[in-house]
Amino acid sequence: DGGITQSPKYLFRKEGQNVTLSCEQNLNHDAMYWYRQDPGQGLRLIYYSQIVNDFQKGDIAEGYSVSREKKESFPLTVTSAQKNPTAFYLCASNPNGDSGPQHFGDGTRLSIL
Amino acid sequence: KQEVTQIPAALSVPEGENLVLNCSFTDSAIYNLQWFRQDPGKGLTSLLLIQSSQREQTSGRLNASLDKSSGRSTLYIAASQPGDSATYLCAVRGYQKVTFGIGTKLQVIP
Repeated sequence: DGGITQSPKYLFRKEGQNVTLSCEQNLNHDAMYWYRQDPGQGLRLIYYSQIVNDFQKGDIAEGYSVSREKKESFPLTVTSAQKNPTAFYLCASNPNGDSGPQHFGDGTRLSIL
Repeated sequence: KQEVTQIPAALSVPEGENLVLNCSFTDSAIYNLQWFRQDPGKGLTSLLLIQSSQREQTSGRLNASLDKSSGRSTLYIAASQPGDSATYLCAVRGYQKVTFGIGTKLQVIP
């Protein structure tokens, strides 16, 4: 079955540590996205990529970094510069262009130790 | 800047009732609008996608309408069931950006 796989499901970060969230898709989609979800707020865009080896900052990119070396993979690194990283992180993809539906993974919940 | 509002924030109904969830947006220059369902601790599951040129889409007991000129969409759920309990989000796609509402939390009581 085609879909988006996020791992791990739960992640804990220590002070000063960088952590990386994995996102893999087998939908052959060009565009991939990372969102952050906090209670009482809509999803906020962190980074997006519309093609391999290219990505753009979203609304809240500070303290995060990404790479897009393969079409299938779009990992997100939460750096120590992100002072409030506790949140639910969602990865999404869609075919390129502006008409296709977005598909989501099951999310990673990140907490601070 | 696009803003998406969903009303009500929470809704509790008895099983079998028909219900309507509302979504409004401020900028009518959209490509499409998508309704999602989110269960606790899970990702978003796509329910319906309406392109900007369409007026409505149907899937089973769900019907979504779009009035782009007035900036409104509704999600109609017929004959609600306890399994429909979840948070429902709408999202509008503009140029290179998707804007999400906060969602309506639905509880269907057996």
